[in-house]
Amino acid sequence: KQEVTQIPAALSVPEGENLVLNCSFTDSAIYNLQWFRQDPGKGLTSLLLIQSSQREQTSGRLNASLDKSSGRSTLYIAASQPGDSATYLCAVRDITGSGNTPLVFGKGTRLSVIA
Amino acid sequence: GAGVSQSPRYKVAKRGQDVALRCDPISGHVSLFWYQQALGQGPEFLTYFQNEAQLDKSGLPSDRFFAERPEGSVSTLKIQRTQQEDSAVYLCASSLETPFPINEQFFGPGTRLTVL
Repeated sequence: KQEVTQIPAALSVPEGENLVLNCSFTDSAIYNLQWFRQDPGKGLTSLLLIQSSQREQTSGRLNASLDKSSGRSTLYIAASQPGDSATYLCAVRDITGSGNTPLVFGKGTRLSVIA
Repeated sequence: GAGVSQSPRYKVAKRGQDVALRCDPISGHVSLFWYQQALGQGPEFLTYFQNEAQLDKSGLPSDRFFAERPEGSVSTLKIQRTQQEDSAVYLCASSLETPFPINEQFFGPGTRLTVL
């Protein structure tokens, strides 16, 4: 059964710092990996989706990498801002014969960026 | 265009009551997923529809949970005889779902259920 782990569980940094969030998964047979942002009381906002054949994706100050063979992904946030404060969730989509599978999520990293 | 919408946004129920949670997916999206997110946890899969067919309900925690999507669009998640452990945020997601590549899921804002 796929398991997704995110480290650290919580992180507090001063504004302007670059930071890395880590995600690991136990089964490398995945279609893709997705990073989400969740603000308190809100739904999930997709940040980056990396297909299994890709190594990384970039969007603005965000860069996500994927090493499928080792079961790891990182989300790099450059020049952090207070508005980046949120919970960041990592999720993978497993490969099955049916082709349609749900996302398997980690528990998230709660990020606080202090002004 | 409009995203995934869910209603109600908040629901308070007394233990033992039945509740119904609604999800309106993005128009034209074939696949619809329900997830349950307990406090401090990541979302966990409940059930999956492809059009009106419920293809996977392996994540439903008990037979008190029932989901339907009769016309392949709007979906309803019903919880009978609610218990305190049912308190969570219930998230709905939809995707266009061509066979390949596997498309990303778009999430609604969720319904926060509190059972007293």
